[in-house]
Amino acid sequence: DAGVIQSPRHEVTEMGQEVTLRCKPISGHNSLFWYRQTMMRGLELLIYFNNNVPIDDSGMPEDRFSAKMPNASFSTLKIQPSEPRDSAVYFCASSIRGETQYFGPGTRLLVL
Amino acid sequence: GQQLNQSPQSMFIQEGEDVSMNCTSSSIFNTWLWYKQDPGEGPVLLIALYKAGELTSNGRLTAQFGITRKDSFLNISASIPSDVGIYFCAGHSSGSARQLTFGSGTQLTVLP
Repeated sequence: DAGVIQSPRHEVTEMGQEVTLRCKPISGHNSLFWYRQTMMRGLELLIYFNNNVPIDDSGMPEDRFSAKMPNASFSTLKIQPSEPRDSAVYFCASSIRGETQYFGPGTRLLVL
Repeated sequence: GQQLNQSPQSMFIQEGEDVSMNCTSSSIFNTWLWYKQDPGEGPVLLIALYKAGELTSNGRLTAQFGITRKDSFLNISASIPSDVGIYFCAGHSSGSARQLTFGSGTQLTVLP
């Protein structure tokens, strides 16, 4: 069975550039979550969607971050413009009704 | 906001030893989940607990949902080198049906 798929797995970019992270949730799951993981802060929930609708984006750091879920099988997290402090591992997770969450492999972002 | 206290932060054990780690919360949780994260990968679900007092095993892993609903523990018996990784507890509090609160993780090192 395919798990949560994320792309790219690694991204290196320069400060000021736009970064787009992609996620394909597990088929049939109706909740999707974006997390950021750093050594200092651990796992932080950025935003989550239920049935493609953003429910809580209070974890999004600032206006430079935006997320969309145009359909049940695809979501993007965009950072524009990127800054060095955005360097982290970004995870997407999906679940049925938000209970047990299954994580993707993550995107390792480095902003120079 | 919700907080989970996970301990210990790190453990160094000999291969073959048993391991125990736990999480406590200041508020009641409805679900407890235990994840393992290997380097460069996303967290992988090990055990999910849904009822107070529930004791669940997954191979050499055993986890329990505390009677007070404010704590959970994870035991690993007869540790092996591939048990190395970071173990996270996570849970849903009664006030946040979909959002998971994560512990800070336990870094486990198994010495040959």
